[in-house]
Amino acid sequence: GAVVSQHPSWVICKSGTSVKIECRSLDFQATTMFWYRQFPKQSLMLMATSNEGSKATYEQGVEKDKFLINHASLTLSTLTVTSAHPEDSSFYICSAPDPARTGELFFGEGSRLTVL
Amino acid sequence: RKEVEQDPGPFNVPEGATVAFNCTYSNSASQSFFWYRQDCRKEPKLLMSVYSSGNEDGRFTAQLNRASQYISLLIRDSKLSDSATYLCVVNKGGYGQNFVFGPGTRLSVLP
Repeated sequence: GAVVSQHPSWVICKSGTSVKIECRSLDFQATTMFWYRQFPKQSLMLMATSNEGSKATYEQGVEKDKFLINHASLTLSTLTVTSAHPEDSSFYICSAPDPARTGELFFGEGSRLTVL
Repeated sequence: RKEVEQDPGPFNVPEGATVAFNCTYSNSASQSFFWYRQDCRKEPKLLMSVYSSGNEDGRFTAQLNRASQYISLLIRDSKLSDSATYLCVVNKGGYGQNFVFGPGTRLSVLP
C-alpha cells in the first residue's frame, strides 16, 4: 500500500521555540493531507486539512497562526508549531487518503513533541 | 453525545479467548466504516473496512448495522500480538476530511 513518512519521529524543544514536522507521501501524490493531534489516552483529533497549492482548512478551535501548515508540493506537507509551549506537547500525526479512493487513510509514523 | 463511541475498556483477556468490541455512531448519513489498530506510541493502521454485509479476515469479523448505527469487531483465538488499541472510524462522506475517530478500546491479551 501507499506509504506516508513523517519526520522527525520525536523532538524535544524549549518553550518559545518553533518546531517543524514534515509529512511526505513516498509513492503517490497527495493533493490533500490531514494533520491530527493525539493526547495521552485520547483519540485522534483532526487539526487541519492541508491542501496543495492553497490555504489549509483549520478545525474549530485550532489556531492557524500557531500551527502553520504548508503544502508546497504534491508529496510534502509541513506543520510548524510556532512559539511552542508545554501544553502543545502531544503526538502529531499526518495522513493522506488512499489515492485509489478506497476510503482508507495512510498515516505517517507520528511525531512526539515534548516542550520543556 | 460524541459522534463515535466505543466500549471504554480496557479488555484483559487470556490467549485464545474471543473478544468483541462495540461501536456506535451518531450521524446516520455516515458512508464508510473502518477498524484501525493503534499500538502504543505508534500510528494507526487499517485493520479492516466494514461492509454492510459483514466481512471476515482470518480471526477478525466485522459487522455493520446501519439501522442501529452500530459496528462491531470480533476477534477469535486471541494472540498476544493482538494487544493494542482498536479504533472505530467513521467517514461521514467526502475525500477523507470527514473521518471521525472513536476514543478506542484497549485490548491486552495475557499469556
